[in-house]
Amino acid sequence: DQQVKQNSPSLSVQEGRISILNCDYTNSMFDYFLWYKKYPAEGPTFLISISSIKDKNEDGRFTVFLNKSAKHLSLHIVPSQPGDSAVYFCAASSPGYGGSQGNLIFGKGTKLSVKP
Amino acid sequence: NAGVTQTPKFQVLKTGQSMTLQCAQDMNHEYMSWYRQDPGMGLRLIHYSVGAGITDQGEVPNGYNVSRSTTEDFPLRLLSAAPSQTSVYFCASSYSKGVGNTIYFGEGSWLTVV
Repeated sequence: DQQVKQNSPSLSVQEGRISILNCDYTNSMFDYFLWYKKYPAEGPTFLISISSIKDKNEDGRFTVFLNKSAKHLSLHIVPSQPGDSAVYFCAASSPGYGGSQGNLIFGKGTKLSVKP
Repeated sequence: NAGVTQTPKFQVLKTGQSMTLQCAQDMNHEYMSWYRQDPGMGLRLIHYSVGAGITDQGEVPNGYNVSRSTTEDFPLRLLSAAPSQTSVYFCASSYSKGVGNTIYFGEGSWLTVV
């Protein structure tokens, strides 16, 4: 039973346009959400996060939106750049998962391709 | 600025062999963990540690063993390798539990069991 779902395995956008990556979750106990970016043959790199008490968090070109009633979050990248091409993982944290905020439950990832 | 360092980067094992994946962090993080990533899957938690001398199981612990004798090191042991353990392994660390912790990952260890 997948608790964090990224239903789009891939997404292709044109350079300069907006990229929107989506993530759905089923566990209402999740209290913190993170997005990670991963290049091939490298470890995931933290991108941006949001607490469940907020509905938006912004960091430069990256904005994460959280809709708790819909159990849905999205990552917006504006404008998209070719260097943004990578796999993006949505992850969630719950106090009940391993008893620590340090444990994350990951989605399967969405491969973003930004074309010049 | 080393961060989280994993060794080896690549390893091929025969079924039944044992080996240890090493992980070290230089950020004085209390929390460390091991994840595995299989094709088309997200990362899944194997084992974690909230401090030296304390370890616990994650989502997929079978076939793996861990110990945490120091704050810096968190090795992952495969006791008797099986083809199902062919995967990419990521070590991670963060400050102690609390909302808002950023978790830092190593670069990964690619393991093939034949």
